[in-house]
Amino acid sequence: EVQLVDSGGGLVEPGGSLRLSCSASGFAFSSYSIHWVRQVRGKGLVWVSRINTSGTVPYYADSVKGRFTISRDNARNTVYLQMNSLTAGDTALYYCVRGSFDVWGRGTMVTVSS
Amino acid sequence: DVVMTQSPLSLPVTLGQPASISCRSSQSLVFSDGKTYLSWFQQRPGQSPRRLIYEVSHRDSGVPDRFSGSGSGTDFTLKITRVQAEDVAIYYCMQGAHWPPWTFGQGTKVEIK
Repeated sequence: EVQLVDSGGGLVEPGGSLRLSCSASGFAFSSYSIHWVRQVRGKGLVWVSRINTSGTVPYYADSVKGRFTISRDNARNTVYLQMNSLTAGDTALYYCVRGSFDVWGRGTMVTVSS
Repeated sequence: DVVMTQSPLSLPVTLGQPASISCRSSQSLVFSDGKTYLSWFQQRPGQSPRRLIYEVSHRDSGVPDRFSGSGSGTDFTLKITRVQAEDVAIYYCMQGAHWPPWTFGQGTKVEIK
């Protein structure tokens, strides 16, 4: 079964850091780019970041540029999103998504609060 | 950035009746390869989004044929021929022609009257 499992969310204080993970199975992971998309409760979908198949070309939304870093380990079939300098505005459910947006994880919740 | 504008934002529909959602982009979504990168997603309550349609009109595997996508350039439409109870959801369009960023519409909430 083609699957993405996102994890690593939790409660963190403003200014803190968190690392999300996205583990893939059921498909040739190294052949697909991977995105992160977030959703504030009750609001719409917002693209956050994308990494290419080799992990050499990352893209970021302006709102997270300089604070978030996306990376991947093709040997482990995993993508990471390192989130630093977190603010309340980063509170959301974070989904990892396969390249053409055809496969979505179940999401991992990030809450930034003191 | 390409702005995606959906209408209406709320759509009450009678079971068995048709529904139509409009999505307009601030730029043409025709890519340099000649394809038009407009997708539609369905998000049922409490679930992850699911892609229904890609490249304007191609239905994903397992998507009922009551769902169809059409349009070109900057104007696109998602139609449901006969709304079923399981179609209650928020529907989003998304452009993949001018990136980054990939951008979504605001979402249209389909509910049963």
